[in-house]
Amino acid sequence: ETGVTQSPTHLIKTRGQQVTLRCSSQSGHNTVSWYQQALGQGPQFIFQYYREEENGRGNFPPRFSGLQFPNYSSELNVNALELDDSALYLCASSLWADTQYFGPGTRLTVL
Amino acid sequence: AQSVAQPEDQVNVAEGNPLTVKCTYSVSGNPYLFWYVQYPNRGLQFLLKYITGDNLVKGSYGFEAEFNKSQTSFHLKKPSALVSDSALYFCAVRDIGRDDKIIFGKGTRLHILP
Repeated sequence: ETGVTQSPTHLIKTRGQQVTLRCSSQSGHNTVSWYQQALGQGPQFIFQYYREEENGRGNFPPRFSGLQFPNYSSELNVNALELDDSALYLCASSLWADTQYFGPGTRLTVL
Repeated sequence: AQSVAQPEDQVNVAEGNPLTVKCTYSVSGNPYLFWYVQYPNRGLQFLLKYITGDNLVKGSYGFEAEFNKSQTSFHLKKPSALVSDSALYFCAVRDIGRDDKIIFGKGTRLHILP
């Protein structure tokens, strides 16, 4: 098991609502990346935070936003939820440019 | 742009037989390649990586991968499959630019038959 934890494990929301997912990095890691994994697909990069600043974003709209805190934990916020946002959201931590270690994920269902 | 391809959606292997899960890549510059495994309702677990050095990389749980530059391949292998190896396997390439994102293949489901 990695030292990366995510909460909650599962979440059910309705269209239009907002959601916050949380990630606690492995000790010593300063970089957090978020990925969306739709059913039957590989993970897709959402964005990455390094030293509390976003330093890369994938092809996701602005309603996907995030934060990284001084202790390197992180949040992923999604506004105006859509049905297609239903997926497994994975957080990965690393020491910049070293191997990324993933948490167990948060399963989000949007009804 | 960096990319990886996993040509097989599913691979079936009898327990005790050798297994291979295929991956090809496309990168500009030196490749940084990874294999991850995902068990049901779990996150991704790191298996092994290639950055530089020996073409045969050894990883966790008896897995290894062979880097072949001329064929742009990075196939995952194991000499003797276990039923517990049944899972979803992802090949990935690091795309180092402004960020350090990983680009994943679509995954290959490995079934080990008892």
